Amino acid sequence: AQSVTQLDSQVPVFEEAPVELRCNYSSSVSVYLFWYVQYPNQGLQLLLKYLSGSTLVKGINGFEAEFNKSQTSFHLRKPSVHISDTAEYFCAVSLYGGATNKLIFGTGTLLAVQP
Amino acid sequence: EAQVTQNPRYLITVTGKKLTVTCSQNMNHEYMSWYRQDPGLGLRQIYYSMNVEVTDKGDVPEGYKVSRKEKRNFPLILESPSPNQTSLYFCASSGTGKVVGYTFGSGTRLTVV
Repeated sequence: AQSVTQLDSQVPVFEEAPVELRCNYSSSVSVYLFWYVQYPNQGLQLLLKYLSGSTLVKGINGFEAEFNKSQTSFHLRKPSVHISDTAEYFCAVSLYGGATNKLIFGTGTLLAVQP
Repeated sequence: EAQVTQNPRYLITVTGKKLTVTCSQNMNHEYMSWYRQDPGLGLRQIYYSMNVEVTDKGDVPEGYKVSRKEKRNFPLILESPSPNQTSLYFCASSGTGKVVGYTFGSGTRLTVV
């Protein structure tokens, strides 16, 4: 069975500092990987996804993530955060070639950007 | 505008009173799904549907029902709500055959007292 682990439930960071949100997954088969962002009182919005090819994936709002197959990780990074990046971030996996489109989510990381 | 529309956004109800949360998408997506979000647990799938009249249980289906009579609609039914179903609910849809990720609705915050 597939699973996703986001070890950090909350990450406080000062404005303009770099940030990394960690995501590790467990799967015996190939997966697709996603990061979603949830701003307060809103639904989830796709930040970026890894399907195949280059392991460095760039998304919206200056975020990027790197797929590391040997470490089964898909960490999200941003070189300089803004107050407006304060939100909850979810990592998710989907089976490559799976019979359904099921997304399995991690428990989320709250990014709290302080001035 | 491509979107998933959920109604209502907020709902307070009493234990045992049947309710329905509606979900509609305008993207002609085959796949639709319901998730509930709880603090510390992330999002857990309740039910999903691969197409009209094709539905199946997700990870936490107990106490919920769904139907898919039309491609665009996928309502979530709680026939006898209980306080442990107090949660934030999301409907999502996606096409099949290509992995583009889900489009999510804005959520329904349900409180059962």
